[in-house]
Amino acid sequence: QKEVEQNSGPLSVPEGAIASLNCTYSDRVSQSFFWYRQYSGKSPELIMSIYSNGDKEDGRFTAQLNKASQYVSLLIRDSQPSDSATYLCALRNSGNTPLVFGKGTRLSVIA
Amino acid sequence: GAGVSQSPSNKVTEKGKDVELRCDPISGHTALYWYRQSLGQGLEFLIYFQGNSAPDKSGLPSDRFSAERTGGSVSTLTIQRTQQEDSAVYLCASSLMRGNTGELFFGEGSRLTVL
Repeated sequence: QKEVEQNSGPLSVPEGAIASLNCTYSDRVSQSFFWYRQYSGKSPELIMSIYSNGDKEDGRFTAQLNKASQYVSLLIRDSQPSDSATYLCALRNSGNTPLVFGKGTRLSVIA
Repeated sequence: GAGVSQSPSNKVTEKGKDVELRCDPISGHTALYWYRQSLGQGLEFLIYFQGNSAPDKSGLPSDRFSAERTGGSVSTLTIQRTQQEDSAVYLCASSLMRGNTGELFFGEGSRLTVL
């Protein structure tokens, strides 16, 4: 089983809808979780980080973490065409280890 | 500097040649990472430097790949005897480690094309 799994998509949602992106991971000791956004031809940029179970909200973005079920998700409310990008889930197992990335989910928001 | 700086932004080389890719991290960031991203693929971890600790080289795909970080700042990734499968975007990232919450900031990458 791959360490971080994401549906590659594309996930298509209409403008104004909620986009739901999901990520599952295999290592129960994973401690830190991140969502990065990557526009085509650009480098990844951090959107959200989450470290404890529950929801964390930042503007239109909400990250959800469930360590018992080993999944982390990202909700994007009021999706805009400018949100169209690849969203990468990443995790770190401990403070001194590198981030491990999933292959990303491509989101397309249709105007 | 204000962000992570990488050079060159583009490099075209012939199979069998050696290449060097440079990364200048954000000032004060103690951790530096190299990742590789092939077309349409996710980020593949290559190597990780943290302060004065020995680097984590577990992601280097072969002994043709090496990296060093001088003075705890600038890093150089060297690929010897390049092969066509080395063609990818090489991304450098840095972070200011605070326990397990260090967030990565990426450079714009170096696109390597091996002919």
